[in-house]
Amino acid sequence: QEQLVESGGGLVKPGGYLRLSCEVSGFNFKDYYMHWIRQAPGKGLEWVSCINQSGTMRQYRDSVKGRFTISRDNAKNSLFLDISNLSDDDTAIYYCASGLRPQNWYFNLWGRGTLVTVSS
Amino acid sequence: DIQMTQSPSSVSASVGDRVTISCRSSQDIYNWVAWYQQKPGKAPKLLIYGAHNLYGGVPSRFSGSRSGSGTEFTLTITSLQPEDFATYYCQQGNSFPFTFGPGTEVEIK
Repeated sequence: QEQLVESGGGLVKPGGYLRLSCEVSGFNFKDYYMHWIRQAPGKGLEWVSCINQSGTMRQYRDSVKGRFTISRDNAKNSLFLDISNLSDDDTAIYYCASGLRPQNWYFNLWGRGTLVTVSS
Repeated sequence: DIQMTQSPSSVSASVGDRVTISCRSSQDIYNWVAWYQQKPGKAPKLLIYGAHNLYGGVPSRFSGSRSGSGTEFTLTITSLQPEDFATYYCQQGNSFPFTFGPGTEVEIK
């Protein structure tokens, strides 16, 4: 059964850093685009970043460019999001999701999310 | 960025009702739209992709369509079931950054 499990969230001070991880099982991770999508408490969904199968193409929303870095380790079936210089606006549940093949730009499998809280 | 809007923001309906949710994009996105269902405390689930394609395992009472231009899309739930009370989001996959609509909450009447 396909499973995505995020970890690494927590309480961090403004300006701080976290590394989010997403461990995948039950499908061929290396064959899929992967995405991070976030949801602020009580708010809607916001796409954050994606990475292609080989890790050579990465995209980010403007508000996180230069602060967030997406990466993957296909040997370990894992996706990462390094988030730095955090602000209150980054407080959210962060979901990892796989891109539906072959379209890539729809999100067919989701993890349960990891909560990042930015507060002093 | 492409803006996605949804209407209504909420709808009250009864089991067995037909519910229609509209989504509009700020520019032509052809058929690059998906619909998701989210229940409180849970991750979203993909329902429809490519405007009208039903994702595997999703009941056939869910359907999606595009009306006319590539800016207006509709999610229809025929014969609403108790498990369908949730929030529904549209999402455009036409161009980066991918964007979602603000959501439509389907509530029990």
